[in-house]
Amino acid sequence: QKEVEQDPGPLSVPEGAIVSLNCTYSNSAFQYFMWYRQYSRKGPELLMYTYSSGNKEDGRFTAQVDKSSKYISLFIRDSQPSDSATYLCASSNFGNEKLTFGTGTRLTIIP
Amino acid sequence: DGGITQSPKYLFRKEGQNVTLSCEQNLNHDAMYWYRQDPGQGLRLIYYSQIVNDFQKGDIAEGYSVSREKKESFPLTVTSAQKNPTAFYLCASSSTRLSSYNEQFFGPGTRLTVL
Repeated sequence: QKEVEQDPGPLSVPEGAIVSLNCTYSNSAFQYFMWYRQYSRKGPELLMYTYSSGNKEDGRFTAQVDKSSKYISLFIRDSQPSDSATYLCASSNFGNEKLTFGTGTRLTIIP
Repeated sequence: DGGITQSPKYLFRKEGQNVTLSCEQNLNHDAMYWYRQDPGQGLRLIYYSQIVNDFQKGDIAEGYSVSREKKESFPLTVTSAQKNPTAFYLCASSSTRLSSYNEQFFGPGTRLTVL
């Protein structure tokens, strides 16, 4: 079993829809949870990170962690074609330790 | 501009040859990382270094080697012992402050193809 599991998709939704991306993890020691966005043929860039359980909001993006069920979510409101990318969840034991990534979900927003 | 540079962007190698991928950062970060990305497998850690002249194996180090002689540089050599080297290689760096989360910043990647 992989430590971080993520549905690879692909996922296609119409512009303006709410997008829900999800991951599960198995390592109870994970404390930090990240979402990276990766455009085609580019390096990933950090979207959001969350420490422990709870919600974090940044503009149209909301990250949610439920440590009791080991579930990580990213919600995108009012989705735009520019949101089309691969979204990678990642977790780590500490803030500056190595990251464990999910496989990534490829998202396409249809105009 | 501060950031991470990787070169070359595309690299072609014949079977049996060693190749070295370059990674340079001017962010004054102590920690540097090499990942490999394959379709459907996400990013897998090859090697990482948290200080000059020291590095640790990641999850898939076999067939790879690294050096960390300077803080700014962390080159990766893909040796002929790596059986399936065709992949997208990503370098990252982060600071190592203990008081808060330290984001890993990624370079643009090098796509290696073995002919």
